[in-house]
Amino acid sequence: GAVVSQHPSWVICKSGTSVKIECRSLDFQATTMFWYRQFPKQSLMLMATSNEGSKATYEQGVEKDKFLINHASLTLSTLTVTSAHPEDSSFYICSARDSGRSTDTQYFGPGTRLTVL
Amino acid sequence: DQQVKQNSPSLSVQEGRISILNCDYTNSMFDYFLWYKKYPAEGPTFLISISSIKDKNEDGRFTVFLNKSAKHLSLHIVPSQPGDSAVYFCAASARSFGNEKLTFGTGTRLTIIP
Repeated sequence: GAVVSQHPSWVICKSGTSVKIECRSLDFQATTMFWYRQFPKQSLMLMATSNEGSKATYEQGVEKDKFLINHASLTLSTLTVTSAHPEDSSFYICSARDSGRSTDTQYFGPGTRLTVL
Repeated sequence: DQQVKQNSPSLSVQEGRISILNCDYTNSMFDYFLWYKKYPAEGPTFLISISSIKDKNEDGRFTVFLNKSAKHLSLHIVPSQPGDSAVYFCAASARSFGNEKLTFGTGTRLTIIP
């Protein structure tokens, strides 16, 4: 149980285009999902907390107009990187907390490697 | 301001021996701690967690110890196996304070030597 999927697993795009990444909880419902990015040899940095049916909460320094988050259902959150630039190239990982459990354990997706040319 | 620190970037252990990974934190509001294992280009996999009301939690080969007064936790893996080679992250949250966000350490790369 507690499986989280992400799609796509990798994407290459041209500078200036937008890219959408999907995060799905496959066998549980998640009122809260989280989006992280990881630079090479560094830790996971929380970008935003995605709440089902409401606006996402962004961490300090993360541009909400550049990283659009939508959490339209209890099993799906999307992250859209708008007008992507090479500095947005990174490994993006989502996680989800099982709403049916009292624990704070977050279950992570496999990640999406974004390369902006 | 690194609130969760893993001071050893790497660790090598002989197969069959005990691996001990350490983690220190500075925020006294943290009351829930987790360990994750991560392979390159994959998402972290949850291993084990501990609440601040406990000082030890065990699950198979994995045991987490928490020393609240020292703001220190450790993950013990025994016996270590080649498949344990990965990067290990500790993470913390301030659950009782309504903050479910996880703060991650910088990771320790564990290499098990056959």
